[in-house]
Amino acid sequence: AQTVTQSQPEMSVQEAETVTLSCTYDTSENNYYLFWYKQPPSRQMILVIRQEAYKQQNATENRFSVNFQKAAKSFSLKISDSQLGDTAMYFCAFRAGKSTFGDGTTLTVKP
Amino acid sequence: DVKVTQSSRYLVKRTGEKVFLECVQDMDHENMFWYRQDPGLGLRLIYFSYDVKMKEKGDIPEGYSVSREKKERFSLILESASTNQTSMYLCASTPGHRTYGYTFGSGTRLTVV
Repeated sequence: AQTVTQSQPEMSVQEAETVTLSCTYDTSENNYYLFWYKQPPSRQMILVIRQEAYKQQNATENRFSVNFQKAAKSFSLKISDSQLGDTAMYFCAFRAGKSTFGDGTTLTVKP
Repeated sequence: DVKVTQSSRYLVKRTGEKVFLECVQDMDHENMFWYRQDPGLGLRLIYFSYDVKMKEKGDIPEGYSVSREKKERFSLILESASTNQTSMYLCASTPGHRTYGYTFGSGTRLTVV
């Protein structure tokens, strides 16, 4: 069975600064994918970024990037130039067949 | 864009009622999922389906059942609603391969009184 751990229940960051959200996972699978999802307050959950486990290169999507350390089973999300609209709950997820989600990190961006 | 539509945003039901939560996706996705989301517990998988008329139990199936008669529709059924089933319910869909992330619906906040 897979487990996903997000050790930071809540975080805050000043607007325009950089913040990193942590995620670790445990699996015996070799072929899997990792995802970060964003759930703004009272709004729909959306996919932010995806990482293929067989790729060493870290994924980036505009201001969002990941630091993927396969040996350490670590998959952190870095948000650069934080904006007020980044305020949301962020979920890390692992997918080999169905997905397993972490408990989420609530991020507040302060003006 | 792929759309996953959940029929109700808010729902209030009485204890013992049979409750149907509907989910429809419009992009021919093979896989569909039902999760419940509770504060401090993240997303927990109730049931999922990899194809029409196929269903698999997730991590917390007790008190729930599902139906998938058509590829685009995946229904979650609470056979006899109880107060501990008060929660946010999220439906998601994805194409078959694991490379794809999920597309979520807007969620149904169910309150059982």
